[in-house]
Amino acid sequence: ILNVEQSPQSLHVQEGDSTNFTCSFPSSNFYALHWYRWETAKSPEALFVMTLNGDEKKKGRISATLNTKEGYSYLYIKGSQPEDSATYLCALGMDSNYQLIWGAGTKLIIKP
Amino acid sequence: NAGVTQTPKFQVLKTGQSMTLQCAQDMNHEYMSWYRQDPGMGLRLIHYSVGAGITDQGEVPNGYNVSRSTTEDFPLRLLSAAPSQTSVYFCASSYSRQLTDTQYFGPGTRLTVL
Repeated sequence: ILNVEQSPQSLHVQEGDSTNFTCSFPSSNFYALHWYRWETAKSPEALFVMTLNGDEKKKGRISATLNTKEGYSYLYIKGSQPEDSATYLCALGMDSNYQLIWGAGTKLIIKP
Repeated sequence: NAGVTQTPKFQVLKTGQSMTLQCAQDMNHEYMSWYRQDPGMGLRLIHYSVGAGITDQGEVPNGYNVSRSTTEDFPLRLLSAAPSQTSVYFCASSYSRQLTDTQYFGPGTRLTVL
C-alpha cells in the first residue's frame, strides 16, 4: 500500500509567526507532487505542482521545496495571517500509476 | 466561469435509498473524477473519466456508478446507500489525466446515510 504521510496532523500558530509542515512519500517512481489549500466550506485550491528534485516554488508568503531522493516536500508559510487558516493537502503522482495519492492533510489554525 | 459545480451541497439518505450526485464543469476539461473525503484520510478516488463515453474505476468504486455522456457532466450514482457511504464527496476536473495537471474541485456534497 502506497502512503503519503503529512505531519503534523494539526498545527496552531500565532499570527505573525512562520511555520512549516511536511509531506513524506515513497521516493521510487516519482513523477509529481502537488500542494493544495482547502479552506473550510470551500473547494481545495491548487498551490503548487513540483516535478524536479530540488524544485522550489513560491506564491506570496507561501513556498515549497521538494526532495525526491529522500521522499519529502516542505511547505513554508512566512508571517502567518488569519486567512492562512486551512487544511493543506499534498498529493503524489507516480509514473507507475495514473492516479494521484493524497495525504490526509495538515490543518493549520492561526491564532490572532 | 462557474468552474466545477456540484449539487446538492447536503443530503441525508436512509439506508437502501438511491440518489445521484450531480457534477458539471464549463472548462472543456477531458478528465473528471469523483473523490470521497473521510476524517483522518486522504481523498480517495471513486471513479474517473478521461472523456465522454469513457469511465473507469478508482480506488473505492464499490456501491457507486458513473456515466459520462457529455464532456461537461459526470454524475455519481449511489445504488443502495449504506452508512459506510457517509462522507464528503468532491468532483474534480482537469485538462487531461497528466499527473502534473491542476485539478479543479467542486464545492463538495456532504452526505449522511442513516
